[in-house]
Amino acid sequence: DAGVIQSPRHEVTEMGQEVTLRCKPISGHNSLFWYRQTMMRGLELLIYFNNNVPIDDSGMPEDRFSAKMPNASFSTLKIQPSEPRDSAVYFCASTGRRGRSNEQFFGPGTRLTVL
Amino acid sequence: AQKVTQAQTEISVVEKEDVTLDCVYETRDTTYYLFWYKQPPSGELVFLIRRNSFDEQNEISGRYSWNFQKSTSSFNFTITASQVVDSAVYFCALSEGNSGGSNYKLTFGKGTLLTVNP
Repeated sequence: DAGVIQSPRHEVTEMGQEVTLRCKPISGHNSLFWYRQTMMRGLELLIYFNNNVPIDDSGMPEDRFSAKMPNASFSTLKIQPSEPRDSAVYFCASTGRRGRSNEQFFGPGTRLTVL
Repeated sequence: AQKVTQAQTEISVVEKEDVTLDCVYETRDTTYYLFWYKQPPSGELVFLIRRNSFDEQNEISGRYSWNFQKSTSSFNFTITASQVVDSAVYFCALSEGNSGGSNYKLTFGKGTLLTVNP
């Protein structure tokens, strides 16, 4: 199994630009999570999906952030317009069976730098 | 609301020492799950263990062991005979039990940076 795949691994952009982060969950997993990691705030959940449906987006910091999951094998996290304070590592994670809080498998992360 | 506290920000030991990482949690649920993840310098998050709230048995896996005590809301992690490769940030996390078939989010502690010196 390839594990959770994220792209790009690194992204450097300028303030005001649109940024799109991509995630492919593990095949067969039905839940997908987006997390952000910063020194100040640690690891925090932004949004998660069950069966491609957004369940809880209370962690999305602002309207500049949006996430989609058009099918079971792909999700995007978009920031438009980006700001320097969005600089962080963004992780995608997926997990399998419904009805249980199973371990989440994390992707390698995308390190975003907004100049 | 759920909360996870890892009071130790950084720990430094010499190789072969035993080290315990503390984790204290808060939740109102009677059904919940506790996790430990490892984040080595390369940055990925590696799952180590899951424990549900009804299973207070301690677990041992090689040099790793976990002590779950509901009475003190703690889920501590011990590494025996530490090695340089154990150097990493270790996160404790909590997930409340589901009530609708959904997989719930993880609430992470701030992490403990463990440095094992040769």
